Amino acid sequence: AQSVSQHNHHVILSEAASLELGCNYSYGGTVNLFWYVQYPGQHLQLLLKYFSGDPLVKGIKGFEAEFIKSKFSFNLRKPSVQWSDTAEYFCAVNAGSGSARQLTFGSGTQLTVLP
Amino acid sequence: DAGITQSPRHKVTETGTPVTLRCHQTENHRYMYWYRQDPGHGLRLIHYSYGVKDTDKGEVSDGYSVSRSKTEDFLLTLESATSSQTSVYFCAISAAGELFFGEGSRLTVL
Repeated sequence: AQSVSQHNHHVILSEAASLELGCNYSYGGTVNLFWYVQYPGQHLQLLLKYFSGDPLVKGIKGFEAEFIKSKFSFNLRKPSVQWSDTAEYFCAVNAGSGSARQLTFGSGTQLTVLP
Repeated sequence: DAGITQSPRHKVTETGTPVTLRCHQTENHRYMYWYRQDPGHGLRLIHYSYGVKDTDKGEVSDGYSVSRSKTEDFLLTLESATSSQTSVYFCAISAAGELFFGEGSRLTVL
């Protein structure tokens, strides 16, 4: 069974700092990769996704992620965070069938941005 | 906006009572899902549906049942709620390989 690891449970940054959140998965075949964000009291929203092609994916709100197949990683980055980026971030992976019923979520990383 | 509404949004109940959560969608999506969200666990799939009267179990289905008698409605039932089922429940639909989530239903079982 596939698994997803987000090693940083809570990250605290000051505004304008750079962000990198780690995501590693265990599955040897083709994968689809996602980052979701959950703002306080809200539902999950898609930040970005990778299905194929350019391994550097750009998403909304200035976020990007890089798929490194050899490292089984899909880390999320943002050059300069804002207070409004305070939220919980979830990495998700599904196997090559692309079926959402096989989507596995990481345990999440809480990001707190200090003004 | 994927047109997903969940009800109730908040519920407090007692151990042993039945609870039904409703997910309603307006865009005729075939696939619907119920997840629970717990600290340290991310989201875990409870049940999903791939059509009217077609449902299957997810990762954490014990203690839950579902029904889908109409395309637009997907019901999650806890036949006899337990404290371990205190959680936030999210309904989702899939479209173009992505999941779109409802606003969530916060359930507290005392």
